[in-house]
Amino acid sequence: SQQGEEDPQALSIQEGENATMNCSYKTSINNLQWYRQNSGRGLVHLILIRSNEREKHSGRLRVTLDTSKKSSSLLITASRAADTASYFCATDAGSAAGNKLTFGGGTRVLVKP
Amino acid sequence: GAGVSQTPSNKVTEKGKYVELRCDPISGHTALYWYRQSLGQGPEFLIYFQGTGAADDSGLPNDRFFAVRPEGSVSTLKIQRTERGDSAVYLCASSFQASGNEQFFGPGTRLTVL
Repeated sequence: SQQGEEDPQALSIQEGENATMNCSYKTSINNLQWYRQNSGRGLVHLILIRSNEREKHSGRLRVTLDTSKKSSSLLITASRAADTASYFCATDAGSAAGNKLTFGGGTRVLVKP
Repeated sequence: GAGVSQTPSNKVTEKGKYVELRCDPISGHTALYWYRQSLGQGPEFLIYFQGTGAADDSGLPNDRFFAVRPEGSVSTLKIQRTERGDSAVYLCASSFQASGNEQFFGPGTRLTVL
């Protein structure tokens, strides 16, 4: 079963605009991770945010985490055509669960040049 | 250094056949995970190894699926009597211990059962 659910399912923007996608989950977590996937193949790790963190930045990426609302958001600023991909959030329930990841269904982002 | 590698990249088989999918994790990573991704969906957990032992196989859909990691490095996912519903991309990931660190994914094996 999918714990994380991304919203929206699809997003189309112009190059240079910002893209925001949200993730909601149901159970307590150790950390939450965001991944990017091109063409349905390998996943590229973007950011890991731990349960005691509220915000994290990496280049043009900004991730927030609200554990009280069980939600996270990923913001991509000044988007580029190369950002076109599917983005997934994944929750890690901790070592008791083997740190296995539970993924959402993803947000498909199209950045138009 | 080298990332996670998976072979073959594509596998086409007939219903009822046996297949093996191989994962070579990043050197030194003790934790290894298998996930399965159907078209348009997120990956779903299958099995997790810590060293040589399967620490959690709760995601395996049925007893036709089995995985091994005999020397604590390379892992093989084995599917017996394949069915059309087994068609998916099978992803392998490894991490430095199962300690809440990021998981590094391989490119996946696309399995098609005709």
